[in-house]
Amino acid sequence: AQSVTQLDSQVPVFEEAPVELRCNYSSSVSVYLFWYVQYPNQGLQLLLKYLSGSTLVKGINGFEAEFNKSQTSFHLRKPSVHISDTAEYFCAVSDATNKLIFGTGTLLAVQP
Amino acid sequence: GAGVSQSPSNKVTEKGKDVELRCDPISGHTALYWYRQSLGQGLEFLIYFQGNSAPDKSGLPSDRFSAERTGGSVSTLTIQRTQQEDSAVYLCASSPTNSPLHFGNGTRLTVT
Repeated sequence: AQSVTQLDSQVPVFEEAPVELRCNYSSSVSVYLFWYVQYPNQGLQLLLKYLSGSTLVKGINGFEAEFNKSQTSFHLRKPSVHISDTAEYFCAVSDATNKLIFGTGTLLAVQP
Repeated sequence: GAGVSQSPSNKVTEKGKDVELRCDPISGHTALYWYRQSLGQGLEFLIYFQGNSAPDKSGLPSDRFSAERTGGSVSTLTIQRTQQEDSAVYLCASSPTNSPLHFGNGTRLTVT
């Protein structure tokens, strides 16, 4: 069975500092990996996805993630965060039916 | 174009009543998914539709929960005899085949 682990429930960071949100997955088959962002009282918005090819994936709002098969990780990074990046971030893996299995989420709290 | 639309955005109901939650997917999206988001449980998969059929209902928590999709478009999630533990945000998502999911803003259900 596939699963996703986001060990950090909350990550506080100062504005303009770099950030990394960690994600590890478990799967016995080839995976598609995703990061979604959820702003307060809104649905989930796709940040970026890894389907195949280059292991470094660039997404919207300056975020990027690197697929590491040997470490079964797909960590999300941004070199300089803004107050507006404050949100909940979800890592997810999809199965053969395109169903998403989500991690428990990481709240990114950007402080001035 | 229009995104995934869910109605109502908020629903307050008394314990024991039935509720219906509606999802209008993006036009042309063949796949439709329902998820539940609650504190302490994260994002739980409920059911997946491909066209009008539901090949995966594995996430429905009890026989009080049912869903249908008609015309390959609108879907309704019905919860009978609601309980307080059903209080959550119910999210709908749609996608073309083998493409990332697009989420609606959800219906916040409160059972009093």
